[in-house]
Amino acid sequence: EVQLLESGGGLVQPGGSLRLSCAASGFNFNTDAMTWVRLGPGKGLEWVSSVTGTGDKTYYADSVKGRFTVSRDNSKNTLYLQMSSLRVEDTALYYCAKPAHVLPFCSATGRCYSGEEHYAMDVWGQGTTVTVSS
Amino acid sequence: DIVMTQSPDSLAVSLGERATINCKSSQSVLYSPNNKNYLAWYQHKPGQPPKLLITWASTRESGVPDRFSGSGSGTDFTLTISSLQAEDVAVYYCQQYYTPSFTFGLGTKVEIK
Repeated sequence: EVQLLESGGGLVQPGGSLRLSCAASGFNFNTDAMTWVRLGPGKGLEWVSSVTGTGDKTYYADSVKGRFTVSRDNSKNTLYLQMSSLRVEDTALYYCAKPAHVLPFCSATGRCYSGEEHYAMDVWGQGTTVTVSS
Repeated sequence: DIVMTQSPDSLAVSLGERATINCKSSQSVLYSPNNKNYLAWYQHKPGQPPKLLITWASTRESGVPDRFSGSGSGTDFTLTISSLQAEDVAVYYCQQYYTPSFTFGLGTKVEIK
């Protein structure tokens, strides 16, 4: 069974730091890109960050760029989100999620891509709560 | 970044009636070389993680009831629940994955009238 289990959330003061973890099992973690999505109180889903399977490419929402760092340890089947300079507005339930159907594709010029940066998410963890408050 | 605009913000539908949710992207999410729309729909209930319903704008995920359908292309998309059931009460989101910087719509809350 494919499972994702987030941990590391908690209460932190504004300006503080926190590291979230997402332990993966039941699938080939090494080859799958992974994503963090958050749900703030009274807000909708917000994409936070993604990383490719090898970790060579990372992507961030403008709201967290320069403050959050996504990484992975494929030997431990674990995804991380290092959060620093935390703000009240970072308060949220943080989910990790894995790709559904990754579709390789080729451009009109004939250059081909793995498609691993373009996906919907079919398996999500239960989330870990981060509260930023003084 | 591609902005996803959903409408309405909320809707109340009688049991057995049709619910229609719209999603508009600020730029096309249709990739012409493979003719795929990089658009997904999710259902989110309180206390649960989001559930993927539809990918590629119109492909239903395995196990999703056929009363859920997705349509549209380019910049305009629709999620239709053909006959609303009590268990469909949830918030529904569209998401584009055309760019590696994904974006979600703000969500549409579906309730029973």
